[in-house]
Amino acid sequence: GNSVTQMEGPVTLSEEAFLTINCTYTATGYPSLFWYVQYPGEGLQLLLKATKADDKGSNKGFEATYRKETTSFHLEKGSVQVSDSAVYFCALKTGANNLFFGTGTRLTVIP
Amino acid sequence: NAGVTQTPKFQVLKTGQSMTLQCAQDMNHNSMYWYRQDPGMGLRLIYYSASEGTTDKGEVPNGYNVSRLNKREFSLRLESAAPSQTSVYFCASSQRSQNEKLFFGSGTQLSVL
Repeated sequence: GNSVTQMEGPVTLSEEAFLTINCTYTATGYPSLFWYVQYPGEGLQLLLKATKADDKGSNKGFEATYRKETTSFHLEKGSVQVSDSAVYFCALKTGANNLFFGTGTRLTVIP
Repeated sequence: NAGVTQTPKFQVLKTGQSMTLQCAQDMNHNSMYWYRQDPGMGLRLIYYSASEGTTDKGEVPNGYNVSRLNKREFSLRLESAAPSQTSVYFCASSQRSQNEKLFFGSGTQLSVL
């Protein structure tokens, strides 16, 4: 079956620090992979995606590379800002199935 | 640019009470979804509607019913609320079925005492 494992949170960083949030997956077939972000008081929104091995998704300074050999899709950002404080969800989709979400990782960035 | 609108934002129920969560989208999307979000569990799909007139069970449908009233509106009903249904509920929509780009509402925080 499908599963997504995210690193345990919460994560607290100082502004301008480097961010990595780990995500590994198990899936039948060849999944597409996603990162969604949930800002305080809002619903989730799509941050970036990658649809095949070695693809790199990027948006708003965030990046994630689809690594088939390690079944991973880690989220990275070189220099975080206070406005990046949110909950980040890794997700996958296979074939005609609906999205399957991980448990989320809360990030807090302090000035 | 309202997007996906959910009501109410907060609700407290007693065990056994019933209520309906309302959801409407103004993006002319075909598909709509109800998720629940619990600590340590991530988002789990309750029901979805691939298109107007159809509904299907998701991962955790027990204790819930849904109605796709028209293309815009998709409601979630708890007939007899239980404490295990304490959660944050999100409605979402997408342009077509099984699309990966979902647009979410801001959620309903429900407590069942």
